[in-house]
Amino acid sequence: DIQMTQSPASLSASLGETVTIECRASEDIYSNLAWYQQKPGNSPQLLIYDANSLADGVPSRFSGSGSGTQYSLKINSLQSEDVASYFCQQYNNYRTFGGGTKLELK
Amino acid sequence: EVQLVESGGGLVQPGRSLKLSCAASGFTYSNYVMAWVRQAPTKGLEWVASISTGGGNTYYRDSVKGRFTISRDNAKNTLYLQIDSLRSEDTATYYCAKDIGYYSAWGQGVMVTVSS
Repeated sequence: DIQMTQSPASLSASLGETVTIECRASEDIYSNLAWYQQKPGNSPQLLIYDANSLADGVPSRFSGSGSGTQYSLKINSLQSEDVASYFCQQYNNYRTFGGGTKLELK
Repeated sequence: EVQLVESGGGLVQPGRSLKLSCAASGFTYSNYVMAWVRQAPTKGLEWVASISTGGGNTYYRDSVKGRFTISRDNAKNTLYLQIDSLRSEDTATYYCAKDIGYYSAWGQGVMVTVSS
């Protein structure tokens, strides 16, 4: 099974700041990686797919990058509505999620 | 608009059974692989099971093999998850999701609590 290691587990940042969340796969996943945002009490919502493609309706301050085993999600100019948990997920060899990152405002 | 609406959750004693349903609308349901993903309280997301478009192929995570059964009725646009021999570690919110590798749409989730 492919393991997904996400870091950090929690993050505190200020409004307007740039935030980066990392995800490392235990083997090459060939950019078959998605990112989700989950606000408290809500279901996850797709942000990024294929490592760097923005899902419909997602603000352009969100971006994804990476290849091989290393991937990242960047949020530019953090907004209050971005307070949420974020999860990566690989779909190269079935489906595995990262452990999640809880993003809070400083 | 894609909609996935789960139902059938609740409080169940260990060892009992439960059947979850997910009603799909807003897309051609029979064309898509569907999945169940769960999330234990304050924990991360965990893929549980998936089913092919026609229902002939099913896949499960190891910890639920032999206890969970995923099925679908394409005439009713509905996905099911039969959960037998429930354990405390099955306590979670269960989401149905449209699977195109990544999960492009999610339901609102249904809570399953296993407790005596």
